[in-house]
Amino acid sequence: QVQLVQSGAEVRKPGASVKVSCKASGYTFTNYPMHWVRQAPGQRLEWMGWINVGNGKTKYSQNFQARVTITRDTSADTAYMELSSLRSEDTAVYYCAIRGYTYGHAFDIWGQGTLVTVSS
Amino acid sequence: QSALTQPASVSGSPGQSITISCTGTSSDVGGYNYVSWYQQHPDKAPKLMIYDVSNRPSGVSNRFSGSKSGNTASLTISGLQAEDEADYYCSSYTSSTTYVFGTGTKVTVL
Repeated sequence: QVQLVQSGAEVRKPGASVKVSCKASGYTFTNYPMHWVRQAPGQRLEWMGWINVGNGKTKYSQNFQARVTITRDTSADTAYMELSSLRSEDTAVYYCAIRGYTYGHAFDIWGQGTLVTVSS
Repeated sequence: QSALTQPASVSGSPGQSITISCTGTSSDVGGYNYVSWYQQHPDKAPKLMIYDVSNRPSGVSNRFSGSKSGNTASLTISGLQAEDEADYYCSSYTSSTTYVFGTGTKVTVL
């Protein structure tokens, strides 16, 4: 079945970077855009950006434009989200999600989430 | 990009109907029929409940329905059940080819 499996929890110090992976299985990886969404503890979902997995083009939220990089490795069916210059406010669960696998313009397949903790 | 506006909380008794609003602008909710709704239980990934304003994915109860008028979308839950108690988020495509989520609504079943 279609599945997104994310890498495990990470702990980073302020100012460092983190790279979260999202391995896809059960479908043709290059056919669907991959999005990244984060959720700080007790806070709302926040859209970060997306990658056209086929051609590698990306689009980022203005809120993260300067610090986020989304990439993919089509040979490994894996997408990555790297966030730099981490601060305590970046402590959150980070999700990858496919848009439109079955249902229109919606995020219909989600990874299990990766907790990133930023602490000195 | 500002978040779409949702009420912080909505409550209802079992069997009642509740409606959650999601207000944006003509650059997002009002400009496209690409509004979706997600249910999130504590410590779980979001689950798609409504896509493209008013369509229900396979397996989602027909007690959930969506609509839109102008810059405001709505999610209605009829025949409220205890299992519906969760956080709900709307999302919309935007004119900047980005996406935006709502502020989130906590639904409480009294």
